[in-house]
Amino acid sequence: QVQLVQSGAEVKKPGASVKVSCKASGYIFTIYNMHWVRRAPGQGLEWMGMINPSGGSTNYAQKFQGRVTMTRDTSTTTVYMELSSLRSDDTAVYYCARSFGGQFHFDFWGQGTLVTVSS
Amino acid sequence: DIQMTQSPSTLSASVGDRVTITCRASQSITSRLAWYQQRPGKAPNLLIYKASGLESGVPSRFSGSGFGTEFSLTISSLQPDDFATYFCQQYQTYWTFGQGTKVEMK
Repeated sequence: QVQLVQSGAEVKKPGASVKVSCKASGYIFTIYNMHWVRRAPGQGLEWMGMINPSGGSTNYAQKFQGRVTMTRDTSTTTVYMELSSLRSDDTAVYYCARSFGGQFHFDFWGQGTLVTVSS
Repeated sequence: DIQMTQSPSTLSASVGDRVTITCRASQSITSRLAWYQQRPGKAPNLLIYKASGLESGVPSRFSGSGFGTEFSLTISSLQPDDFATYFCQQYQTYWTFGQGTKVEMK
């Protein structure tokens, strides 16, 4: 069965970076794009960007350009999202989610990783 | 960027009620719209894709409709498990979510 298993909760200080992982299993890793979405307290869902695990190409939301980096390791079927220059308003639950292609919905989601930014 | 506007932001209802949530896109997205349910502390769960396609395993009391810029999600008879927050998402150009509709108990 399809599983997306994310790394555990993180607490970071302002200005630091965080790297969250998402290990995929139960399907052909390189066929599906992987996205990152976050939900801050009291807010809605926000798309951050995506990576094509086949070639490693990425597409980031303009808001996060220059601060986010998405990578993948095909040998371990894991994707990573690193967010730098953290601020308090980056406190959120971060999710990975897969889509079949460029114009597709998200059919499976990871369980979420809470990132808390606090001094 | 395509903006998605959901209404209402909060909806108070009782078990057995028929509930409808609407979502409006700032420009045409044809039928590239999905609906998700999110319960507290859980990941979002896909309900509807391509505006009206019911995801496998989702109860038939959920239905979606619309095309272009106006869409709706209907729950025909609200069940206790359905008290949650619902999000629409466009995937015509990148991906954008509505701000969410919280369905709470009246």
